[in-house]
Amino acid sequence: EPEVTQTPSHQVTQMGQEVILRCVPISNHLYFYWYRQILGQKVEFLVSFYNNEISEKSEIFDDQFSVERPDGSNFTLKIRSTKLEDSAMYFCASSERSGGYTFGSGTRLTVV
Amino acid sequence: EDQVTQSPEALRLQEGESSSLNCSYTVSGLRGLFWYRQDPGKGPEFLFTLYSAGEEKEKERLKATLTKKESFLHITAPKPEDSATYLCAVQARGGSQGNLIFGKGTKLSVKP
Repeated sequence: EPEVTQTPSHQVTQMGQEVILRCVPISNHLYFYWYRQILGQKVEFLVSFYNNEISEKSEIFDDQFSVERPDGSNFTLKIRSTKLEDSAMYFCASSERSGGYTFGSGTRLTVV
Repeated sequence: EDQVTQSPEALRLQEGESSSLNCSYTVSGLRGLFWYRQDPGKGPEFLFTLYSAGEEKEKERLKATLTKKESFLHITAPKPEDSATYLCAVQARGGSQGNLIFGKGTKLSVKP
C-alpha cells in the first residue's frame, strides 16, 4: 500500500537553529499538507500546498515557517530560528482530492 | 467557530464488550467528517470519510455513522489490537483544500 514517508523520525535542535523536515508524498497525489501535534494536544493544521503554491495556511504558519517542493517528489517544511514551543510531532499528509488524506509517521522535533 | 469535541476522553473495555465513541461538531457547512486511528508515536491512519447525515460506513469491527450534529464510531466485539486513540476531524465547506479540524481523540484500551 502506498505511504507517505517522513525523515528524520526524530530531530533534536538548539533553540534559534533552522530545521528542515522532509516528506515524500504518495506519487499520484496532488495536494500536500503539514500538521503538527504538541504532546497531549490536538492535531493542528499548518499549511496546504497545491500546484506549487500555498493554498491555505493557519495562524500558526507565520513567517518563521516555509514550505517547498524542490524536485517534484519531496515536500519540505522549514522552520527558521526554532523556539522551545516548536517542539512537537510534525505530520506530512497528501491526498488525491478532498477526503482520504494519508498521513506519514511524523517527525518528532525537540528544541532544546 | 468550527469545533470538534470527542467523548469520552478515555474508554476501557473488556475484549468482546461493544461500545460507541462520540464526535460532536459545529461547522459552517460540512464538507466531510473523517475518522482516524492513531497508535502511540505514529501518524493518523485513515478509517472513514462521511459526507452527509444518515451515511454509514463499516470496516471489520468498526462502523461510523453521521447525523447533522454528531458522528458515532461503534466498535463491535473489540479485540486488544483495537487499542489506540481514535480521532475525529471535520472539513468545512467553502474552504480551500485542506484544513481538517481535529478533536482531542478518545483513547481506547481493550483488555483481554
